[in-house]
Amino acid sequence: AQTVTQSQPEMSVQEAETVTLSCTYDTSESDYYLFWYKQPPSRQMILVIRQEAYKQQNATENRFSVNFQKAAKSFSLKISDSQLGDAAMYFCAYRGTIIIQGAQKLVFGQGTRLTINP
Amino acid sequence: GAGVSQSPSNKVTEKGKDVELRCDPISGHTALYWYRQSLGQGLEFLIYFQGNSAPDKSGLPSDRFSAERTGGSVSTLTIQRTQQEDSAVYLCASSLGRDRTDTQYFGPGTRLTVL
Repeated sequence: AQTVTQSQPEMSVQEAETVTLSCTYDTSESDYYLFWYKQPPSRQMILVIRQEAYKQQNATENRFSVNFQKAAKSFSLKISDSQLGDAAMYFCAYRGTIIIQGAQKLVFGQGTRLTINP
Repeated sequence: GAGVSQSPSNKVTEKGKDVELRCDPISGHTALYWYRQSLGQGLEFLIYFQGNSAPDKSGLPSDRFSAERTGGSVSTLTIQRTQQEDSAVYLCASSLGRDRTDTQYFGPGTRLTVL
């Protein structure tokens, strides 16, 4: 079974600085997707960024980028120019691609609570 | 367009009562998922629907939990004889369900408190 590990329960960063959140995963599959979701106090899970395992190029969405190391099974999220609105729980998630029973579910890490200091 | 909606937003119930949680997916999304978020267990998958059928129910924790989906749209998660350990946030997500690029979009969740 696939597992996702986020080793940083909490992180903090000064506003306008850069912070990196770590995520590692374990899988025997070669093709899969990785996601970072943000969950503010409103509880709404918001998709931040998505990476396809067969693409070597790291995904980028504005101030958010990932460092995807497939061999190391590592998928970290870098937030540049941190803003107060970035404060939230961040979850790393894995999804397989084989369209069979069970392959569509997301497997989540335990989350990292990010605090932005003004 | 409208996102995934869930009702009620919060539910407080007494131990032993039955509860129903509702999810309205994004229009046109054929896939629907239920997850549970609790302090001790993190985010856990419960059940996955494709259309009205549920090919993966592997995450349902006991036979007290059931879910159905009608008309390929609205889904209801029912918990019978609730226990205190059922207290959690129940999240629903939907996706197009068409191909390998599928991305799940989440609702705001229902916070269930069992007294």
